[in-house]
Amino acid sequence: AQKITQTQPGMFVQEKEAVTLDCTYDTSDPSYGLFWYKQPSSGEMIFLIYQGSYDQQNATEGRYSLNFQKARKSANLVISASQLGDSAMYFCAMREPSGTGRRALTFGSGTRLQVQP
Amino acid sequence: NAGVTQTPKFRVLKTGQSMTLLCAQDMNHEYMYWYRQDPGMGLRLIHYSVGEGTTAKGEVPDGYNVSRLKKQNFLLGLESAAPSQTSVYFCASSYSGTSGKIYNEQFFGPGTRLTVL
Repeated sequence: AQKITQTQPGMFVQEKEAVTLDCTYDTSDPSYGLFWYKQPSSGEMIFLIYQGSYDQQNATEGRYSLNFQKARKSANLVISASQLGDSAMYFCAMREPSGTGRRALTFGSGTRLQVQP
Repeated sequence: NAGVTQTPKFRVLKTGQSMTLLCAQDMNHEYMYWYRQDPGMGLRLIHYSVGEGTTAKGEVPDGYNVSRLKKQNFLLGLESAAPSQTSVYFCASSYSGTSGKIYNEQFFGPGTRLTVL
């Protein structure tokens, strides 16, 4: 069974600074996908970034980058130049192996990020 | 495109009442999912569907039923609501292709906040 662990229940960062949100995962399948979602106080789930297990390069999307360390089974999210609007809950998730046929996501418990002015 | 929509957005039920949550997507996605999110936790898979007319159980299916009579709609039913079903319910859909960025994203609806008294 897959498992996602986010060990930081809450994080604070000063505006304009960079912050790293930790995520470790456990799977026995060599093919998997890792996601980060943002959930603001309004409640919707916003897709941020994706990393495939066979991708050679770390994924980047604007101010978001994913620090993928396959041997350590970690997929940390790095947000550069934090903005007040980045204050939200952040979830790391893993897509199930294609062999299961479901492609559903397994989520971590989340990290609440607060950006301070 | 509206993406993934959910109705209703909020609902309060009494124990034992029934209701149906409707999810609709206009992206022609094959895969659809129902998740629930409890306070302080990530999302957990209730039921899913890999195509019109097919449904299957996820990790926490007890007390729920689903139907997918049309490709664009995925209904979640509570036959006899219990206080333990108080939660936020998210519907999601995803592409069934095998390559490209769009294959990797799971699109979420805005959520339905359900309270069972």
